[in-house]
Amino acid sequence: NAGVTQTPKFQVLKTGQSMTLQCAQDMNHEYMSWYRQDPGMGLRLIHYSVGAGITDQGEVPNGYNVSRSTTEDFPLRLLSAAPSQTSVYFCASSYGFGVMNTEAFFGQGTRLTVV
Amino acid sequence: SQQGEEDPQALSIQEGENATMNCSYKTSINNLQWYRQNSGRGLVHLILIRSNEREKHSGRLRVTLDTSKKSSSLLITASRAADTASYFCARNAGGTSYGKLTFGQGTILTVHP
Repeated sequence: NAGVTQTPKFQVLKTGQSMTLQCAQDMNHEYMSWYRQDPGMGLRLIHYSVGAGITDQGEVPNGYNVSRSTTEDFPLRLLSAAPSQTSVYFCASSYGFGVMNTEAFFGQGTRLTVV
Repeated sequence: SQQGEEDPQALSIQEGENATMNCSYKTSINNLQWYRQNSGRGLVHLILIRSNEREKHSGRLRVTLDTSKKSSSLLITASRAADTASYFCARNAGGTSYGKLTFGQGTILTVHP
């Protein structure tokens, strides 16, 4: 049981490049989300999904795209990387609507630097 | 914008002492959760307290919730050097936002051996 797996762990991009951060969970969780963490700040929600085929925007969605074709996977795409997207990105998952009070399980993070 | 505020932003104590971290929020909650983050790692869930609960314990952790004051506190008793980490509170609003968490900016705890 691997939990939430994020790849890659580290990435350096040039401004304007695109890339996809991968997230996979093996707990059959319905709810998945992406956060970014900047120095001295807590986590801010980028996008989330309540199930396969359903996604919605969080607090800071601009410059990011998501899709959810399977329960297990929730990739985050950077369309045209900017230095302001330098951050640590965390993927999380939790049980769905039928379990109202549930903890979130986090991946180990992807440290992204845009130069 | 983040709707959870934590204080202190940093806390430095000696091993064996208690550590108290506070969290305030602005809107109603379904539950409030506390997470721990070791440097450079992901977040690990510590404890969840529902809106109808006032206190919860887990090992050396004690969490209280005062919904009238919209505040929560995390107490770590008899701290150890291994407790050194960042601690975050996260609010869950429930309803249609059942999975969404809103995080505070965190408290950095340093426990000196």
